[in-house]
Amino acid sequence: DQQVKQNSPSLSVQEGRISILNCDYTNSMFDYFLWYKKYPAEGPTFLISISSIKDKNEDGRFTVFLNKSAKHLSLHIVPSQPGDSAVYFCAASGFDASGSRLTFGEGTQLTVNP
Amino acid sequence: NAGVTQTPKFQVLKTGQSMTLQCAQDMNHEYMSWYRQDPGMGLRLIHYSVGAGITDQGEVPNGYNVSRSTTEDFPLRLLSAAPSQTSVYFCASSSRDRVGYFGSGTRLTVV
Repeated sequence: DQQVKQNSPSLSVQEGRISILNCDYTNSMFDYFLWYKKYPAEGPTFLISISSIKDKNEDGRFTVFLNKSAKHLSLHIVPSQPGDSAVYFCAASGFDASGSRLTFGEGTQLTVNP
Repeated sequence: NAGVTQTPKFQVLKTGQSMTLQCAQDMNHEYMSWYRQDPGMGLRLIHYSVGAGITDQGEVPNGYNVSRSTTEDFPLRLLSAAPSQTSVYFCASSSRDRVGYFGSGTRLTVV
């Protein structure tokens, strides 16, 4: 079963506008959530994260919102820039005695048009 | 600062051949893991390690072996390659802050 799901395979926005990427999860044991950005032929790079004790975390143009009751998180990028065009992965972690493991969503291809 | 280094970047294998994908990190991270990325499926965990000498299976471990003799290195072995193992493989390391830092990947094709 897919414990982390990104329902939109792609998103296209105009430069300067807001990009909103969504992610849903099913496992109540997840307590830490991350967003990664991936360019072709490169590894994922960490973008921003949020702990389940918070509902919002900001870092410059990037803000992540967490709605625990809905098991939903979103990434807002404002303003969007052409360099933001990449695949964005949502990931979740539930820290247990076995260490930190990440469960990823399928990814959303963001295209920011000049 | 190299971070996580993976070799090789590309590899073509024939069915039944074996090979080892190398992964090394220089951040003194406790945790290391291997993922595979397939179209439309995101990244899936193959094996992971919480420290030298300790490994465990992830979501898709069949056909792969790992060992961790040092903190820095975490090689992934394919014992008998199959076309279903054609994928892009990523190694990651993390500390207790749970942020995974990824290598640039190995693109493997099994024919």
